[in-house]
Amino acid sequence: GQQLNQSPQSMFIQEGEDVSMNCTSSSIFNTWLWYKQDPGEGPVLLIALYKAGELTSNGRLTAQFGITRKDSFLNISASIPSDVGIYFCAGLNYGGSQGNLIFGKGTKLSVKP
Amino acid sequence: EADIYQTPRYLVIGTGKKITLECSQTMGHDKMYWYQQDPGMELHLIHYSYGVNSTEKGDLSSESTVSRIRTEHFPLTLESARPSHTSQYLCASSATFGYTFGSGTRLTVV
Repeated sequence: GQQLNQSPQSMFIQEGEDVSMNCTSSSIFNTWLWYKQDPGEGPVLLIALYKAGELTSNGRLTAQFGITRKDSFLNISASIPSDVGIYFCAGLNYGGSQGNLIFGKGTKLSVKP
Repeated sequence: EADIYQTPRYLVIGTGKKITLECSQTMGHDKMYWYQQDPGMELHLIHYSYGVNSTEKGDLSSESTVSRIRTEHFPLTLESARPSHTSQYLCASSATFGYTFGSGTRLTVV
């Protein structure tokens, strides 16, 4: 089935540093989503991307839908301690067998004050 | 604010007990999902539903069962809990693209 390769698996950075993570797939997706999960909570939607090449920002977060429709990246600028959590990418292919989101395995972000 | 609720948030229960994890949403979404997640790990889809009286198994085999008698309600049941069922269970719903997740139920079977 469809799979997303999310990297890096984990990051340990200093407060104030910029962060970049990405997802790639061998399949084309029509929609890319980025979620953040705080410890002990459910994932929360950060950014949704609906068009190839689309670049969208949400505060210090910026995400892009790759031109090939097979990848997406998420950047976080000037990280702060509350950015700690697990970030998941997710792709949706309208023609998929289940019509469900496919999730990456997550990037665990740790921020050192 | 998320309008999807899971109860209980935490549950510690003995082996062999029957348990039901509750999930309700007030958004009128047709699609609902259950994910299993070990701490800090990836999300595994175990059940989903596209509407009332529709339920399907997900990618990860699970001994749990689900029902969808009402649009807003999607409970998950374990007939006989075992320590291997210890995990976090996340419920989600969607209308079109994005999923809205509940806060999860942390289940510990002792």
